[in-house]
Amino acid sequence: DTGVSQDPRHKITKRGQNVTFRCDPISEHNRLYWYRQTLGQGPEFLTYFQNEAQLEKSRLLSDRFSAERPKGSFSTLEIQRTEQGDSAMYLCASSPRDSTEAFFGQGTRLTVV
Amino acid sequence: QKEVEQDPGPLSVPEGAIVSLNCTYSNSAFQYFMWYRQYSRKGPELLMYTYSSGNKEDGRFTAQVDKSSKYISLFIRDSQPSDSATYLCARVAGGYQKVTFGTGTKLQVIP
Repeated sequence: DTGVSQDPRHKITKRGQNVTFRCDPISEHNRLYWYRQTLGQGPEFLTYFQNEAQLEKSRLLSDRFSAERPKGSFSTLEIQRTEQGDSAMYLCASSPRDSTEAFFGQGTRLTVV
Repeated sequence: QKEVEQDPGPLSVPEGAIVSLNCTYSNSAFQYFMWYRQYSRKGPELLMYTYSSGNKEDGRFTAQVDKSSKYISLFIRDSQPSDSATYLCARVAGGYQKVTFGTGTKLQVIP
C-alpha cells in the first residue's frame, strides 16, 4: 500500500505527558497537511508544509503543538503537556504539486486520560 | 459564520433511494469544491471535486454547484448499504490548497 501512512493508529496518554505522531506522505508529494477531527465534526486544518517549509499554521495550533518535516519527507506532530481537550483524531494528508486532490491517512486517535 | 455549513443529519434512507446531501458556503473567492466520504474510524477519501457551476457525474454520484446561491450538492443514485458513511463537503482555496470541511452528514442506507 503506497498511501499516506500514520503511526501510531491509537495513543492513550496521561494528561501532562508529551506525545509525538508520525506521518509518511505518498512518495514525491511535496505538500503535507495536518488536520484534527473531533467527534461529530469535520477535520480542522492545523498546519501545512511545502517540502520542508512550514508555510501556514492555524490559530488552533497552540504553543504546545509543534510540527516538523525535515528533508521534506516524513512529518512529525508533537503535543507537549497534553490536555483532555487534545483528545481527537489527528489526520495527515499529502498532495502532489499543482493538484487539488489531498490524500488522507487513516489518522492517529489520541485519548488523553 | 462558518466557511462551509452542512446539516449533520443523521440521514436514513432505504436501499435504492436517491440521496441528496447539501452544503452552503460563504466565501465567493475562486475555489474548488469537493465531496469526501469517511467511513467510521477511517480517514476521509475523495469522491469528487469540481470548480465550476453545473453538474459533474461519476457513476452513481453527481456533484452540483450553484455559485449564484453558494450551494453545493451531492446526489447518490441507487443507494447501497455500502454507501453508509459520513459525507463531508469541502472547499479548497488559496495558493496552499488548504481544504476547509463542513461538519459532515452521516448517512445510513438500510437494506
